[in-house]
Amino acid sequence: AQSVAQPEDQVNVAEGNPLTVKCTYSVSGNPYLFWYVQYPNRGLQFLLKYITGDNLVKGSYGFEAEFNKSQTSFHLKKPSALVSDSALYFCAVRDGSWGKLQFGAGTQVVVTP
Amino acid sequence: SQTIHQWPATLVQPVGSPLSLECTVEGTSNPNLYWYRQAAGRGLQLLFYSVGIGQISSEVPQNLSASRPQDRQFILSSKKLLLSDSGFYLCAWSTDKLLTTEAFFGQGTRLTVV
Repeated sequence: AQSVAQPEDQVNVAEGNPLTVKCTYSVSGNPYLFWYVQYPNRGLQFLLKYITGDNLVKGSYGFEAEFNKSQTSFHLKKPSALVSDSALYFCAVRDGSWGKLQFGAGTQVVVTP
Repeated sequence: SQTIHQWPATLVQPVGSPLSLECTVEGTSNPNLYWYRQAAGRGLQLLFYSVGIGQISSEVPQNLSASRPQDRQFILSSKKLLLSDSGFYLCAWSTDKLLTTEAFFGQGTRLTVV
């Protein structure tokens, strides 16, 4: 079965500093990887995905992610964090022929002014 | 454009009472539909998925059931709620059969069983 892991329970960063949220994956075959963000008491919002092609994927709100096959990683990045980026971030991978998403445990991002 | 509606937003129900949460999708046809539960504000657990009308698969045996009476309608139900059914329930949809497409989520229902 496909799976992803998010090794950090929480990431703290000062506003204006670069933000990185880590994700590693374990898949058989081609990985279809996704990042979502969740604000309190809200549904998940899609940020970006990697299917194939360029290893650097650009997404919404200035986020990007780097796919690294040798390290089986798909880290989410933002060059300059905003206080409004404080939220819960989920990495996910497609699992199965009917499109089920396997989510990581989530990483809470806290951006301080 | 496609939209997903989920209601109610919050619900407080006594133990032993029935449950019905509804989710509808607009602007697409034959979507894959999913019910997830998020407990303790963190991990997401897939409860049910459906690839078509009347086709429901369960991921985890539990006190809940799901139905898909129409192409774009997905209902989560329980005959008798347990305290452990409390959580944040999320409905989602994705394009049928395309593994490369992202899933879109509703705004969620916060269920508290008292």
